[in-house]
Amino acid sequence: SQQGEEDPQALSIQEGENATMNCSYKTSINNLQWYRQNSGRGLVHLILIRSNEREKHSGRLRVTLDTSKKSSSLLITASRAADTASYFCATDADSGGGADGLTFGKGTHLIIQP
Amino acid sequence: NAGVMQNPRHLVRRRGQEARLRCSPMKGHSHVYWYRQLPEEGLKFMVYLQKENIIDESGMPKERFSAEFPKEGPSILRIQQVVRGDSAAYFCASSLTGYYNEQFFGPGTRLTVL
Repeated sequence: SQQGEEDPQALSIQEGENATMNCSYKTSINNLQWYRQNSGRGLVHLILIRSNEREKHSGRLRVTLDTSKKSSSLLITASRAADTASYFCATDADSGGGADGLTFGKGTHLIIQP
Repeated sequence: NAGVMQNPRHLVRRRGQEARLRCSPMKGHSHVYWYRQLPEEGLKFMVYLQKENIIDESGMPKERFSAEFPKEGPSILRIQQVVRGDSAAYFCASSLTGYYNEQFFGPGTRLTVL
């Protein structure tokens, strides 16, 4: 099965700066989703971008998708201490209506320094 | 509207015992997914269920693991004769419809096998 891989594995920036995380995957997808996980907590859905979309915004979040390069980026602008968390991309494979499970990468651990 | 609920939040078992993890989907959701997160790793899909049906169990270990989603009551992930390698966080997600739809995650059950 395919796997989303986030890059970098860890990122530490100053509050107020922008944070960019990347995700690469291997096979065709129907959509790609980004999730946040605070330490010891469950996952929170951030944004879903479909394979026919190139860019999507939600508040301070901006997601891009390049299906030709099989990659996506998540940009968090004007970061805040509360943005400290692990961020996962998850892909939904284009398997002709087969498995509906998402495939997650290992995540990027983002630390926002006050 | 309550989110996805999982219980227990923490479960400790000795090797050879059984573990039962419960998941109540969001109100109105009839699609449930189980994921496992091993330490320092991303989430891995295990199984996708609708009411009374297993749709896709391609991520389930062949032995000792089973899942059900009865007509009434929560979805149950059952692990028989647990081993230390089963120690992980188990997340349940639900969606309103299947295919390519946003999945909402519960807080997870952290299983520790002594």
